[in-house]
Amino acid sequence: SAVISQKPSRDICQRGTSLTIQCQVDSQVTMMFWYRQQPGQSLTLIATANQGSEATYESGFVIDKFPISRPNLTFSTLTVSNMSPEDSSIYLCSVTSGASDGELFFGEGSRLTVL
Amino acid sequence: GENVEQHPSTLSVQEGDSAVIKCTYSDSASNYFPWYKQELGKGPQLIIDIRSNVGEKKDQRIAVTLNKTAKHFSLHITETQPEDSAVYFCAASMSGYSSASKIIFGSGTRLSIRP
Repeated sequence: SAVISQKPSRDICQRGTSLTIQCQVDSQVTMMFWYRQQPGQSLTLIATANQGSEATYESGFVIDKFPISRPNLTFSTLTVSNMSPEDSSIYLCSVTSGASDGELFFGEGSRLTVL
Repeated sequence: GENVEQHPSTLSVQEGDSAVIKCTYSDSASNYFPWYKQELGKGPQLIIDIRSNVGEKKDQRIAVTLNKTAKHFSLHITETQPEDSAVYFCAASMSGYSSASKIIFGSGTRLSIRP
């Protein structure tokens, strides 16, 4: 299994500002993922964070809005840029290891409220 | 692409009774079906999974059944307890593929256990 720490756990932000969420894993992992969970909704994959290369974004998500860094095999950041109230969501960091064969491990999430 | 539908969206059962959550999937190539439990303020956590070479799997009070022909799979919780109250997500993917972009989640079921 993997233990994932996210910061901040929650924040209240003003419209037009940007916020960076940090994700730290207790072991080296090849793939890290960022999900968005809007209030009462399911999990939507934003992007896959690749170490040493640009992130791979899912349809509907762009790098200018959600820039991602992956400087090493245990750490990643997601920035939510130029926030609007529609960005109010829980943002979850997730990893899968080669041994887990599909199992995802999630952090506890970062709950953002944009006013 | 894969589409996963989950029912019901909310479920309330008396403590000690059983709860059943049902999902259907569209892609016959999917062969790995995990279930995640998300408690309030936490990230989802895998509770049980099943692969398409078996029809049923049990782990104490929880069981999952799979009907590959009908593309249905279900989660069964027996002797429900207050700590079972949470949101449950089903998912479908292809086993052995470590990219989260191939894991499709259902819309979630909020389970409440009445004392």
